[in-house]
Amino acid sequence: DSGVTQTPKHLITATGQRVTLRCSPRSGDLSVYWYQQSLDQGLQFLIHYYNGEERAKGNILERFSAQQFPDLHSELNLSSLELGDSALYFCASSVGKSTGELFFGEGSRLTVL
Amino acid sequence: GQNIDQPTEMTATEGAIVQINCTYQTSGFNGLFWYQQHAGEAPTFLSYNVLDGLEEKGRFSSFLSRSKGYSYLLLKELQMKDSASYLCAVRETDSWGKLQFGAGTQVVVTP
Repeated sequence: DSGVTQTPKHLITATGQRVTLRCSPRSGDLSVYWYQQSLDQGLQFLIHYYNGEERAKGNILERFSAQQFPDLHSELNLSSLELGDSALYFCASSVGKSTGELFFGEGSRLTVL
Repeated sequence: GQNIDQPTEMTATEGAIVQINCTYQTSGFNGLFWYQQHAGEAPTFLSYNVLDGLEEKGRFSSFLSRSKGYSYLLLKELQMKDSASYLCAVRETDSWGKLQFGAGTQVVVTP
């Protein structure tokens, strides 16, 4: 158990819909990262938050947005869903501003039908 | 940006040694990580190299050569539970904390 909690574990929805994935980092970790893992793309960095502020962005689609709240939990919002958005979405946390060891949650598996 | 290459799959026998190579190209290197990921599970940290040389951690060792853009992960005394995907990941100096992952090497351990 990494100490990072993600909900929901599984989510099935239809194209065009919007979903929110939630992540609670390890106690004391200020950085939260979101990654997408699909079969053909591997693990792709989406976005990094540190203590409530956005610090780095990867190839995150405009239909996707995220935020980190004062209690340090984070949410990833995915809207206008397409079939290609079906993937495992991982949240990871670490202590500092720059990446040390990342601790990954169990992931949220999104299926878009 | 980065380009990270690692073999797609490797097969080895229980008790043997397997070496997983990773080559990378980056504009500003600031560390290389190895993660293990079992199917459907979260990646877990194995090792970190930022200076040239070998880092040993039990049955696992990782080597880095920055001048060659090359790293390897050595798995010794293979066990069945070592069957997993092994991900090489690079951090850049100006990346503000993101890791760029390779596609992963699927290691299959046979009896």
